Amino acid sequence: GAVVSQHPSWVICKSGTSVKIECRSLDFQATTMFWYRQFPKQSLMLMATSNEGSKATYEQGVEKDKFLINHASLTLSTLTVTSAHPEDSSFYICSPGGWETQETQYFGPGTRLLVL
Amino acid sequence: DQQVKQNSPSLSVQEGRISILNCDYTNSMFDYFLWYKKYPAEGPTFLISISSIKDKNEDGRFTVFLNKSAKHLSLHIVPSQPGDSAVYFCAASAEDSNYQLIWGAGTKLIIKP
Repeated sequence: GAVVSQHPSWVICKSGTSVKIECRSLDFQATTMFWYRQFPKQSLMLMATSNEGSKATYEQGVEKDKFLINHASLTLSTLTVTSAHPEDSSFYICSPGGWETQETQYFGPGTRLLVL
Repeated sequence: DQQVKQNSPSLSVQEGRISILNCDYTNSMFDYFLWYKKYPAEGPTFLISISSIKDKNEDGRFTVFLNKSAKHLSLHIVPSQPGDSAVYFCAASAEDSNYQLIWGAGTKLIIKP
């Protein structure tokens, strides 16, 4: 299957700081990137969808100015949580999409964010 | 409105027996269904999928059954093993939505020794 990496795997930060999460698709070209968030005991929730070279589309209730997504290349997308607060503590997972993944979706290993 | 529903939050099964995880959906446009397994603090791992043109797909211990008329699918694991203890997510996608996954809430499977 496709290889997807995320960095960092976990991060602890102070309230008010910004955190950048990187997602790389290592062996195929991700024309689309889905970013998910999972709170404890809940299903994955889609936050936003980005297409390479264009602005991301955010799901209802997700603040685009708080969760900045950059998808500048076919192998790298970043999610920046700006001015993080404790309620942003969650598990963030990226999932690249492209013609190779039309039938099977692959996921990054996830990034656990804890905001103190 | 939940388009993909997993009505059992948890399921406990004896090791060696069959585990049956159920999933219902409402959108008739879904043409692909997937099952994922997730351990705590890890990303989901793809298990098995099925196209809407089929009613069964089998891969080792895992079999997925699709009943389109009932808009219902199920994942069978046999025999169940301790390592199968995890949360299982059902997901559906449609070609006209760029295969964006619509997720169920998950079912926690506990395999008892």
